[in-house]
Amino acid sequence: GAGVSQSPSNKVTEKGKDVELRCDPISGHTALYWYRQRLGQGLEFLIYFQGNSAPDKSGLPSDRFSAERTGESVSTLTIQRTQQEDSAVYLCASSLTVVAGPSTDTQYFGPGTRLTVL
Amino acid sequence: AQSVTQLGSHVSVSEGALVLLRCNYSSSVPPYLFWYVQYPNQGLQLLLKYTSAATLVKGINGFEAEFKKSETSFHLTKPSAHMSDAAEYFCAVSDRSGNTGKLIFGQGTTLQVKP
Repeated sequence: GAGVSQSPSNKVTEKGKDVELRCDPISGHTALYWYRQRLGQGLEFLIYFQGNSAPDKSGLPSDRFSAERTGESVSTLTIQRTQQEDSAVYLCASSLTVVAGPSTDTQYFGPGTRLTVL
Repeated sequence: AQSVTQLGSHVSVSEGALVLLRCNYSSSVPPYLFWYVQYPNQGLQLLLKYTSAATLVKGINGFEAEFKKSETSFHLTKPSAHMSDAAEYFCAVSDRSGNTGKLIFGQGTTLQVKP
């Protein structure tokens, strides 16, 4: 079936502009995650959704970052007043649920959005 | 707090040689551990995971990993490297303390396979 999709695949913007990144999770997956991957580094957790609520926003680096999710569907990560240090690949992942059970903890990742802030 | 350390940011092996990618974790609760692979310009793909069942876990593409509690390790191995194994590999632990399932990743290891 269809995997996690993200758009755009690449985004180049000027410092100070706002950007929106979109994630379409696997159908039926209630959990959705955003991660950031800076050049040469591992992935950093940003935010977690269970359905359309976000019980864990602890990874958002500043109040310029926000995200929302429509039901158990599309999520949008918005970065306001972009800065050069926001340049990174933003990855979205979804999983069936986080209720205890090993088979449901696998996260499936999208291809990412590469954001470049000039 | 949970964390993951991958020893060696770059590993180079010859085709046909053993692949060993090291991962050590820190966790106050029994961990769920994962290895993901990232091919150039692609998203992460799950190789295998440990979720408190068998300590030797077999994954896709001939990879396996062994969970060793005494050593707090979860090293990834493959008996014979193939050119197509060249990629970046990430070890991760699932954050079970907050019951969110978020993953805490290591810094990644780039595997180079030489002909």
